[in-house]
Amino acid sequence: SYVLTQPPSVSVAPGKTARITCGGNNIGSKSVHWYQQKPGQAPVLVIYYDSDRPSGIPERFSGSNSGNTATLTISRVEAGDEADYYCQVWDSSSDLVVFGGGTKLTVL
Amino acid sequence: EVQLVESGGGLVQPGGSLRLSCAASGFTFSSYWMHWVRQAPGKGLVWVSRINSDGSSTSYADSVKGRFTISRDNAKNTLYLQMNSLRAEDTAVYYCARGGSSRHAFDIWGQGTMVTVSS
Repeated sequence: SYVLTQPPSVSVAPGKTARITCGGNNIGSKSVHWYQQKPGQAPVLVIYYDSDRPSGIPERFSGSNSGNTATLTISRVEAGDEADYYCQVWDSSSDLVVFGGGTKLTVL
Repeated sequence: EVQLVESGGGLVQPGGSLRLSCAASGFTFSSYWMHWVRQAPGKGLVWVSRINSDGSSTSYADSVKGRFTISRDNAKNTLYLQMNSLRAEDTAVYYCARGGSSRHAFDIWGQGTMVTVSS
């Protein structure tokens, strides 16, 4: 089955740029979606189709996808961005949805 | 307001059954694919199952195939998950989620319902 690999944690100072990676075999050929989840809350879609932002998501959130790595970039990080972030794809060969293991973003 | 509200969670013994419901409002439920996603305590998100807009096609994670059944009633704007032969490892918060413009990007989530499998 298809596997997505994320770093368990990323730390960044306020105002700096955070980059969270999501690795998968030829992930560049798939559409990657990203979710933010704060403690005790349901996940929120922050990026879909690799780089599109749903309405209401700040422009500070952006995404890219190429080769074997997709990346969620959060610019000018704020304390309120501290959360768990998950990447997700649909594997067409198996018709299964796969999530990465999640990355805890800590704002120092 | 676009909303999904889950219900039906609770404590069940190993080997038991439970049916979860997800009531949709604020959008044309019958136009969207729907999914169930679960999250064990302190763990990550795990996709469970999906159903297409008219209920004619379903898909399941290997871990629940043959034990769980997803269904929907478009007249009642409700999604279901019938869970049989429950195991301790099924203990989790279960979320229903809407597949948005991309059927497999979840743009609306419910608040979740907790299922605990324990004797």
